[in-house]
Amino acid sequence: EPEVTQTPSHQVTQMGQEVILRCVPISNHLYFYWYRQILGQKVEFLVSFYNNEISEKSEIFDDQFSVERPDGSNFTLKIRSTKLEDSAMYFCASSEIGPDTQYFGPGTRLTVL
Amino acid sequence: AQKVTQAQTEISVVEKEDVTLDCVYETRDTTYYLFWYKQPPSGELVFLIRRNSFDEQNEISGRYSWNFQKSTSSFNFTITASQVVDSAVYFCALSGSQGGSEKLVFGKGTKLTVNP
Repeated sequence: EPEVTQTPSHQVTQMGQEVILRCVPISNHLYFYWYRQILGQKVEFLVSFYNNEISEKSEIFDDQFSVERPDGSNFTLKIRSTKLEDSAMYFCASSEIGPDTQYFGPGTRLTVL
Repeated sequence: AQKVTQAQTEISVVEKEDVTLDCVYETRDTTYYLFWYKQPPSGELVFLIRRNSFDEQNEISGRYSWNFQKSTSSFNFTITASQVVDSAVYFCALSGSQGGSEKLVFGKGTKLTVNP
């Protein structure tokens, strides 16, 4: 069964460093999303991406964040200058069409020291 | 604005008991979708069910059942004859369909512990 994959599973970085989180959505899906979950809290929407552009972003998704689909398969989230409060689990999700079930990857646990 | 409330923070039951997880939602959309996801201790988010706002039929899948009531804006989830493997955090989520992206708005989750 097709699934969303994410790499790395765990990333440790120093405050102020740039990180890139990678996702490979399900191949026939057109809508891509990033969410984050701070430890023990709810899952929060960051950004959605369709047709090679951002379609919606949350207040959390400020100028230090960016997303890109560099090729036909990968979908990346870049955090330019990480802060301690960026420590969280980051989930990528994809759906075939907009109002459809979003399937989540296993997540990348980001730890900022 | 859309909102999902899961008032039960934690529930603990003994194996074979039935348990109901509550979910109440708020939305101004006339068309919307409701979801339940399971997050086991390993951390991934596992899709369980999707319902659209026009379909109020209850659904049963094995030991799982869902009760959608628009009149009370609720979408409750019942596990019958619970098992230890059901221990997880369960999230209820809502998305609209007003064009553009359809982000999921999650509740805070209910942590279910099933004891042997």
